[in-house]
Amino acid sequence: GEDVEQSLFLSVREGDSSVINCTYTDSSSTYLYWYKQEPGAGLQLLTYIFSNMDMKQDQRLTVLLNKKDKHLSLRIADTQTGDSAIYFCAEAMYSGGGADGLTFGKGTHLIIQP
Amino acid sequence: DTAVSQTPKYLVTQMGNDKSIKCEQNLGHDTMYWYKQDSKKFLKIMFSYNNKELIINETVPNRFSPKSPDKAHLNLHINSLELGDSAVYFCASSPPPGQGTYEQYFGPGTRLTVT
Repeated sequence: GEDVEQSLFLSVREGDSSVINCTYTDSSSTYLYWYKQEPGAGLQLLTYIFSNMDMKQDQRLTVLLNKKDKHLSLRIADTQTGDSAIYFCAEAMYSGGGADGLTFGKGTHLIIQP
Repeated sequence: DTAVSQTPKYLVTQMGNDKSIKCEQNLGHDTMYWYKQDSKKFLKIMFSYNNKELIINETVPNRFSPKSPDKAHLNLHINSLELGDSAVYFCASSPPPGQGTYEQYFGPGTRLTVT
């Protein structure tokens, strides 16, 4: 079955880089996602990566995918106080005519120290 | 011009009641979903639905039922509410694979409190 694992907390200093890690078990996962949830808010899609890619960069965000180890990471450069949130890793399986939904990790609480 | 909307935003009700949460998307997507986020912020898929198939997470009690009056709506009906149903419920939608984007768009969530 599908399972996605993340550390629950990460604390970094403002201005440093944050690296949030995720492991997944389903080797046939097609798409992998990072979502951000601020307190009391909904889910904001940050980025996604296809399983046939190794890296994707978008401004301050860099996603690295190691398919052999089934490891996904999200790097946030120059972390700011506005980056304080819960970050969810998720994988998706698509079958037939549609998607079976996302399997989420438990979320990593990113805490920014001044 | 909200992409995925849910109503109500907050819902407080008593045990044993029946309630519905509405979801609408104006993106023209074929597939819609319901997710549950518990008090520890853990998110789990409950249902995925397109005009052909309903996929139910086997852990979802049959007191929960999705109802789709048309392609743009997927409402969640809950019978005989229990304390453990208190959570935030998110609706989402996505286009079919092969249409150029693989993003799932989430609604703002409905916070359900059962007393």
